[in-house]
Amino acid sequence: AQSVTQPDIHITVSEGASLELRCNYSYGATPYLFWYVQSPGQGLQLLLKYFSGDTLVQGIKGFEAEFKRSQSSFNLRKPSVHWSDAAEYFCAVGAPNYGQNFVFGPGTRLSVLP
Amino acid sequence: EAQVTQNPRYLITVTGKKLTVTCSQNMNHEYMSWYRQDPGLGLRQIYYSMNVEVTDKGDVPEGYKVSRKEKRNFPLILESPSPNQTSLYFCASSFSEMNTEAFFGQGTRLTVV
Repeated sequence: AQSVTQPDIHITVSEGASLELRCNYSYGATPYLFWYVQSPGQGLQLLLKYFSGDTLVQGIKGFEAEFKRSQSSFNLRKPSVHWSDAAEYFCAVGAPNYGQNFVFGPGTRLSVLP
Repeated sequence: EAQVTQNPRYLITVTGKKLTVTCSQNMNHEYMSWYRQDPGLGLRQIYYSMNVEVTDKGDVPEGYKVSRKEKRNFPLILESPSPNQTSLYFCASSFSEMNTEAFFGQGTRLTVV
């Protein structure tokens, strides 16, 4: 069965610092991978997705993620964090079993210091 | 504006009192699903629907019911809520079930006392 781990429950960075959020997945075939962001009191918004092709994908709000098949990872990065990036971030793997479309990781909460 | 709308946003209820959380999407999506979000567990799928009158269980279906009588609506029903169903609930829709982007509602925070 598919699974997603996000090793960091909570990360704190200073505004302007770089950011990397880790995501590891377990899946027997070529995965479809997603990062979603959940701002306080809001639903989930898609940041970026990887289906195939270039392993470095660009998303909204200046985020990017790199798919590394050898490491079963799909880490999210941003070169310079803004205070508005404080949110919870979820990695998800596409689960093309009949009927179920995503398996989500437990999430990483990002705090940003001024 | 393309959106998924859930109501209510917040709900406090008592054990055993039936409730319904509504979900509606305006994107003509075939696939809709319900998730619950609990700290440290991420989002877990409760039920999903691949089209009108086609519904099936997700990972945590116990204590929930759904219906899909129209393409745009996918209500979540708790016939006899219990405190362990206190959670944050999200409805989502997507064009199909096959790894396309999901659009999420803003969530319903349910407290069962």
